[in-house]
Amino acid sequence: GAGVSQSPRYKVAKRGQDVALRCDPISGHVSLFWYQQALGQGPEFLTYFQNEAQLDKSGLPSDRFFAERPEGSVSTLKIQRTQQEDSAVYLCASSLERDYNEQFFGPGTRLTVL
Amino acid sequence: AQSVTQPDIHITVSEGASLELRCNYSYGATPYLFWYVQSPGQGLQLLLKYFSGDTLVQGIKGFEAEFKRSQSSFNLRKPSVHWSDAAEYFCAVVELGGGADGLTFGKGTHLIIQP
Repeated sequence: GAGVSQSPRYKVAKRGQDVALRCDPISGHVSLFWYQQALGQGPEFLTYFQNEAQLDKSGLPSDRFFAERPEGSVSTLKIQRTQQEDSAVYLCASSLERDYNEQFFGPGTRLTVL
Repeated sequence: AQSVTQPDIHITVSEGASLELRCNYSYGATPYLFWYVQSPGQGLQLLLKYFSGDTLVQGIKGFEAEFKRSQSSFNLRKPSVHWSDAAEYFCAVVELGGGADGLTFGKGTHLIIQP
């Protein structure tokens, strides 16, 4: 079956623009995670959904970052008024249940803020 | 708070030679440990995981890792590397009951394979 997909794969934004990044998890996966991976670093946790409920958003770096998963499937990560420090690869992962099982990662969206 | 240390930023290994990538972590009580591999332009792929039981775990692509609680380590090994193993390797941990939902990753080790 299809894996986790993300779109767009690449996004260039001017500083101050708003961007929206999409994640399509594996069908039937309950849990969905967003991570931010800066150049040369490991991924860092941003937020977590169980179905449509956002249970943990402790990793979101500022109130400019907002994530939603209204129907418990597709998720969107929105960044308002982008800044240069937002440049990173944004990874989405899904897992079958809310347990510490395998998270399946998408290819990521590379965001470059000019 | 959980943390993961991968002390080697880069490692160069000759094709056919053995490999060991180091990972140390800080944890509370019950860590779940993972190794992921990331190739350029690809998503993270799980190599292996440790939850409990036998401390030597086998993974895909001929990799294995050993959990040593006394040393807080979870080193990744492979007896003979192939050129296709060149990639970025990440160790990750999540603590059962630790209140965090996402994985905590190390900064990664870049593996270079020389002919």
